[in-house]
Amino acid sequence: GAGVSQSPRYKVTKRGQDVALRCDPISGHVSLYWYRQALGQGPEFLTYFNYEAQQDKSGLPNDRFSAERPEGSISTLTIQRTEQRDSAMYRCASSASSSSGGPNEQFFGPGTRLTVL
Amino acid sequence: AQSVTQLDSHVSVSEGTPVLLRCNYSSSYSPSLFWYVQHPNKGLQLLLKYTSAATLVKGINGFEAEFKKSETSFHLTKPSAHMSDAAEYFCVVSRGYIPTFGRGTSLIVHP
Repeated sequence: GAGVSQSPRYKVTKRGQDVALRCDPISGHVSLYWYRQALGQGPEFLTYFNYEAQQDKSGLPNDRFSAERPEGSISTLTIQRTEQRDSAMYRCASSASSSSGGPNEQFFGPGTRLTVL
Repeated sequence: AQSVTQLDSHVSVSEGTPVLLRCNYSSSYSPSLFWYVQHPNKGLQLLLKYTSAATLVKGINGFEAEFKKSETSFHLTKPSAHMSDAAEYFCVVSRGYIPTFGRGTSLIVHP
């Protein structure tokens, strides 16, 4: 079946512009996560949703970053007034609900490579 | 607070020899621990997970990891490396549903 998809795969923008990154999770997956991954580093947690509710946004770096998942499926990560330091790979992951009550396996998308000039 | 340390940025082995990728964690809670693999230009894939059941966890592709609470370690091993194992490996500790990833270990496999 279809995995997690992200679009665009590559985005080049000028400093000061707004960007919107899209994530389409696996159908039926309850949880959706956003990460940022710098070169040579592991993914850094940004925020996550259960259904349409944003459960935790403690990883968002500042108020220029926001995310939504209005219908509990597709999610959009928006970065306003982009800066060069925002350049990174942005990854999305989804997971099914966990019967054990703990974290479940996450299925990752291919990522969006954002470059801010 | 939680953190994870992958002790080696690169590990180089010959095909057919054992693999050891080291991971130490710090967590105020009983942790959930994971290993993910990332092949070039691919998304991350789960290798195995520990969630307080058996301390020796078996994963895909012949990998396994042992949870050692006294040493706060969760090292990843494989008896015999294959060329296709060359990839980036990430150790992950989760507090509740919030994961913290290590910096990654690049596994290089020589023929």
